[in-house]
Order: sequence, then C-alpha cells, then structure tokens
Amino acid sequence: AQSVTQPDIHITVSEGASLELRCNYSYGATPYLFWYVQSPGQGLQLLLKYFSGDTLVQGIKGFEAEFKRSQSSFNLRKPSVHWSDAAEYFCAVVGNAGKSTFGDGTTLTVKP
Amino acid sequence: GAGVSQSPSNKVTEKGKDVELRCDPISGHTALYWYRQSLGQGLEFLIYFQGNSAPDKSGLPSDRFSAERTGGSVSTLTIQRTQQEDSAVYLCASSFGWLTNTEAFFGQGTRLTVV
Repeated sequence: AQSVTQPDIHITVSEGASLELRCNYSYGATPYLFWYVQSPGQGLQLLLKYFSGDTLVQGIKGFEAEFKRSQSSFNLRKPSVHWSDAAEYFCAVVGNAGKSTFGDGTTLTVKP
Repeated sequence: GAGVSQSPSNKVTEKGKDVELRCDPISGHTALYWYRQSLGQGLEFLIYFQGNSAPDKSGLPSDRFSAERTGGSVSTLTIQRTQQEDSAVYLCASSFGWLTNTEAFFGQGTRLTVV
C-alpha cells in the first residue's frame, strides 16, 4: 500500500531564511509525487510535481523539490521564505490505480 | 465549470439531522475524492471513486457516512444523524484518474457545523 509521511507537524522559520519541508513516501514502483499548499482560508493549490527525469523539480512561488529514490524522499525547499508563504503544505503520492494519498501536512509559520 | 464546485459552501445543522454535501468535479475527470479536514488538522481521506470501479470506502469513519457518484460525475456525501464531532470542512477533489501523472484539483470545501 502506498503512504506518505510528513515528519514535521509544525515548522517556524524567520522571513528570509531558507526552508526545507520533509516528505517520505512508501510505494513499490516509481512514484508520482506532488506538493500542495493551502493558504489560510484558501483551497489546496498545486506547487509542483515529479513524474520522471530530472530529480530536481521547480514549482511556483520559488519552491523546488528533490526526489531521492534511495531515501524515498521528496523534500520541498525554498531559499528565502516570505511572510506570504505561511500556510499548510501537503505532500502526496499517486500510485495504485491513479489514487492520490496525502500526508498529514506541515504547518509553516513565518516570523517577521 | 472550470473547477471543482462544492455546495453548499457553509452548512449549519442540528445534531441528529442528516446532511447532504454535493460535489461537481471537473468535466472528464474520472477520479473523485472526498476528504475531511478538521480545524488545524490534515486531510482525512474518506472515499475514492474511480470510473466504474467499486469505490474505496476505507476512510469512512462510521456507517453514518455514505457517498454516491451518479453517472460518473456529480457526487453526494451524506452524513446521517450528525454528531458534533462531524463538524469540519469537507473537501472534494477530482483528477484524470487513469493518468497517474496528473494532480488532484480541489474544491473550496463545505464547512459543516453541527450544533
């Protein structure tokens, strides 16, 4: 069965600092991996996705993520966080029969 | 429409009443999901429809919860004899389920409050 683990429930960073949100997945074959963001009062929006090829993928709002097969990870990064990045972030894997499985989410707080 | 549409956007109901939540997925999307998000919590999977296959109901928390998808399009989530712990935002999402390289598109959700 496929699964996603986001080890960090809550992360706080200062504005301008770098960010890394962790995501570990479990899936028997090559996974399709996604990061979504949910800003306060907003719906979920896709940040980026990985299907194949280059293991470093670029997304919207300056985010990137790196797929590491050996570590079963797909961590999300941003070099310099902005106050507007405060939100909840969800990692997801699509595997069996096209079904999406989401992690429990990581809440990001940005300190001024 | 262009996106996933959910109605109503807000619902307040008395404990013990039944409620129906509606989801209109993006046209052509064969996969449809229902999730529940309680205040400050992550996404709790409820049910997954994929084309004409039997739905994956493994996430439904009790037999008071049920869902249908008519004609492979519109879906209704029904909660019978609502309880206060059912209060949450109920999110619907759809995708091209036969393509694993496609993301899920979410609706804005229905905020259910049981008083």
